[in-house]
Amino acid sequence: QSVLTQTASVSGSPGQSITISCSGTRSDAGRFDFVSWYQQHPGMVPKLMIYEDNKRPSGVSCRFSGSKSGKTASLTISGLQTEDEADYYCCSDTGRGTYVCGSGTKASVL
Amino acid sequence: EVQLVESGGDLVRPGGSLRLSCTASGFIFSNHWMSWVRQAPGKGLEWVAKVDPVHGGITYVDSVKGRFIISRDNAKNSLYLQMNSLRVEDTALYYCVKDEAHAFNVWGQGTMVTVSS
Repeated sequence: QSVLTQTASVSGSPGQSITISCSGTRSDAGRFDFVSWYQQHPGMVPKLMIYEDNKRPSGVSCRFSGSKSGKTASLTISGLQTEDEADYYCCSDTGRGTYVCGSGTKASVL
Repeated sequence: EVQLVESGGDLVRPGGSLRLSCTASGFIFSNHWMSWVRQAPGKGLEWVAKVDPVHGGITYVDSVKGRFIISRDNAKNSLYLQMNSLRVEDTALYYCVKDEAHAFNVWGQGTMVTVSS
């Protein structure tokens, strides 16, 4: 069982926006610091999309944005495109030198 | 090009041992924290261990403490994971990752570890 809690699935139509949430309320999530988000297409390696809650690595589309309030972090994908269909995982720094991750959210484009 | 290449994955019986290796290129390996992250078949990501670039600071997920040892050789641009007392639940694809700004910004292709009798 993953430490961070994510909704199992979310879907939207092309052009719409979707939001994926990540909760760090369990005690073993620690400080829930510096949330990062990863995109994984089937059979592929995960790709970093957001780090330190809301920063985008070079090369990641501005359609992806991150935010955090208290023990809940969110990844929003705006202007949904078919290539955004993938699994998305959140991870965070516990503040104790360790990381924890979520079980993933399957994003579907209708 | 920044690259991480893992090796050493195999089929092993419960209680057995395995050593994973990761060779880095395209960046100054000795400047960066490095981690191992695993993914069981059909499951989510699980961070396993990390090692700091110089001082040897190391942390592990609780489930592998006392069984796994992470190490690095900066002269060889290499990261290792010695896995002992392997359990069925250790079965996963193990990724070598570059750890920067509290995130995993470079991933290898992964090496598969299967623990089964």
